[in-house]
Amino acid sequence: NAGVMQNPRHLVRRRGQEARLRCSPMKGHSHVYWYRQLPEEGLKFMVYLQKENIIDESGMPKERFSAEFPKEGPSILRIQQVVRGDSAAYFCASSPREGASTEAFFGQGTRLTVV
Amino acid sequence: RKEVEQDPGPFNVPEGATVAFNCTYSNSASQSFFWYRQDCRKEPKLLMSVYSSGNEDGRFTAQLNRASQYISLLIRDSKLSDSATYLCVVSFPSGGSYIPTFGRGTSLIVHP
Repeated sequence: NAGVMQNPRHLVRRRGQEARLRCSPMKGHSHVYWYRQLPEEGLKFMVYLQKENIIDESGMPKERFSAEFPKEGPSILRIQQVVRGDSAAYFCASSPREGASTEAFFGQGTRLTVV
Repeated sequence: RKEVEQDPGPFNVPEGATVAFNCTYSNSASQSFFWYRQDCRKEPKLLMSVYSSGNEDGRFTAQLNRASQYISLLIRDSKLSDSATYLCVVSFPSGGSYIPTFGRGTSLIVHP
């Protein structure tokens, strides 16, 4: 049973370009969370999605950031017109169901560097 | 006030020592609590869930105090391989869902 898969592992973008980060949840998991971790900082919640639905996007910046989790295929976190401050590790986690007691399992992350 | 607060450390202990970390949370409606471990530049990995009655997994013991809104992790007989950052995670209610919310982590360094 493969774990949560994220790709690419490393992504370099110039300022103003777009970044697309992909996350395939564990088999049987239909809930996906995205987090951002700045250097020497903790993980900050961005968005929570179920298949075809955004459940909670309270942690998403209002501009340039969007997320989706289509019926088929991976979840995508999209950052338009990247700036240096977007450089961070982006982690995706999945869980099999909704609920307070549900554990989340993480992918290895995508490290975005904006130059 | 931060939602989930941890002492960042680092805690620098010799092999074989017992070390304890605490974590406080702000929302009394929180339902679930976890400890994760994160090694340098890698993904967080679930260490253990935390139950009201307390629970133990080998050298690791977790406790929850709902009245005081804090969680603890005790590591006995520390090993060099325990060196990592320990993340306290609390599931906060948010618009009908629960969002796993992370503390900044406590750094542990176990030395020979």
